[in-house]
Amino acid sequence: NAGVMQNPRHLVRRRGQEARLRCSPMKGHSHVYWYRQLPEEGLKFMVYLQKENIIDESGMPKERFSAEFPKEGPSILRIQQVVRGDSAAYFCASSPRGQTYEQYFGPGTRLTVT
Amino acid sequence: AQRVTQPEKLLSVFKGAPVELKCNYSYSGSPELFWYVQYSRQRLQLLLRHISRESIKGFTADLNKGETSFHLKKPFAQEEDSAMYYCALMSNTGKLIFGQGTTLQVKP
Repeated sequence: NAGVMQNPRHLVRRRGQEARLRCSPMKGHSHVYWYRQLPEEGLKFMVYLQKENIIDESGMPKERFSAEFPKEGPSILRIQQVVRGDSAAYFCASSPRGQTYEQYFGPGTRLTVT
Repeated sequence: AQRVTQPEKLLSVFKGAPVELKCNYSYSGSPELFWYVQYSRQRLQLLLRHISRESIKGFTADLNKGETSFHLKKPFAQEEDSAMYYCALMSNTGKLIFGQGTTLQVKP
């Protein structure tokens, strides 16, 4: 089992561009979580998705950010019109079921906005 | 409010010394607590969770509901323990609430 995969590992975008971050969960995992780590801070929850459904998006900024986890393919975190403050490491985690099950983390995508 | 606090950004000890990484939490229900570790150039991985009451790599953590703490302890630190450690609380929806993290540096 290859573990949770994220790509790209590093992404550079100019202000105003769009960023798309991909997360392929572990085989058999249908629950995906996205977290963001700003410089000098801990990881902050963004969104929790189960196949084709958003379960909890309480940590998502209200504008410019969206996430999906389609029936087929990876989960996508999309940031429109990026700003410098979006520069961070974005981590994805997956679990076979929700709630108390262990979450397995990917290596992260480091987004730099210039 | 649900919150996890790790008061130390950096903890530096000598090899063989005892280690205690502090974690305090704020949660209205019955907490589900975890310690995650990130070694250099590796991904975040689960070290231990309070319900399993296991000892992993010599580390233990006891939930103290009276003091709302979940400190991580090891009696004799090893150089390979040097890493970033995160305490986390799981909410009833399954999301993890992380502390700011503590870098443990074990000197030879």
